[in-house]
Amino acid sequence: GEDVEQSLFLSVREGDSSVINCTYTDSSSTYLYWYKQEPGAGLQLLTYIFSNMDMKQDQRLTVLLNKKDKHLSLRIADTQTGDSAIYFCAERHYYGGSQGNLIFGKGTKLSVKP
Amino acid sequence: EAQVTQNPRYLITVTGKKLTVTCSQNMNHEYMSWYRQDPGLGLRQIYYSMNVEVTDKGDVPEGYKVSRKEKRNFPLILESPSPNQTSLYFCASSVGQSQETQYFGPGTRLLVL
Repeated sequence: GEDVEQSLFLSVREGDSSVINCTYTDSSSTYLYWYKQEPGAGLQLLTYIFSNMDMKQDQRLTVLLNKKDKHLSLRIADTQTGDSAIYFCAERHYYGGSQGNLIFGKGTKLSVKP
Repeated sequence: EAQVTQNPRYLITVTGKKLTVTCSQNMNHEYMSWYRQDPGLGLRQIYYSMNVEVTDKGDVPEGYKVSRKEKRNFPLILESPSPNQTSLYFCASSVGQSQETQYFGPGTRLLVL
């Protein structure tokens, strides 16, 4: 089956690192994504990783993928109050060579305390 | 400016009164989709479209219809809305298969009484 799990809440202090974790069940997933949703807004694609990669870094964001454990994490270095938002993990996989749906986790609400 | 627009942004209606939520993108994207977001359930895909006249069901298609007569527009139709369709709806579009540049609309908050 298809399922993406995330913890619902994370609270950190400004300047600390945040690590948001995600597990997925479908080993055929090819792309894994992190989206950010600020209050009252739509989803913004933050970063993505292809399943043959272990790590991807983009400025303050680091994505780690452990394909064996089906575990994805997003690390935000030097977390700022502007990083407060809901973060969604999502996976895309393929059925019989054709594109499948994008499956989202329930989202992790990150609160950054000054 | 590249964007996905949805209308209306907010809508209150009554059970059984047909409504349409429009979605339009100006990026010539082939792939478009509709999601609903509910507390504790995250985002769930309703319908998606790979191109003009090509649509397919997502995870929660019951009670919804879509059409894709033009590349830029992908309206979501609720023929007979019910209270369990009260939700926040997002339209999204992307270039194609890989979707690493998927753009989301601002959302439509629907209340069905």
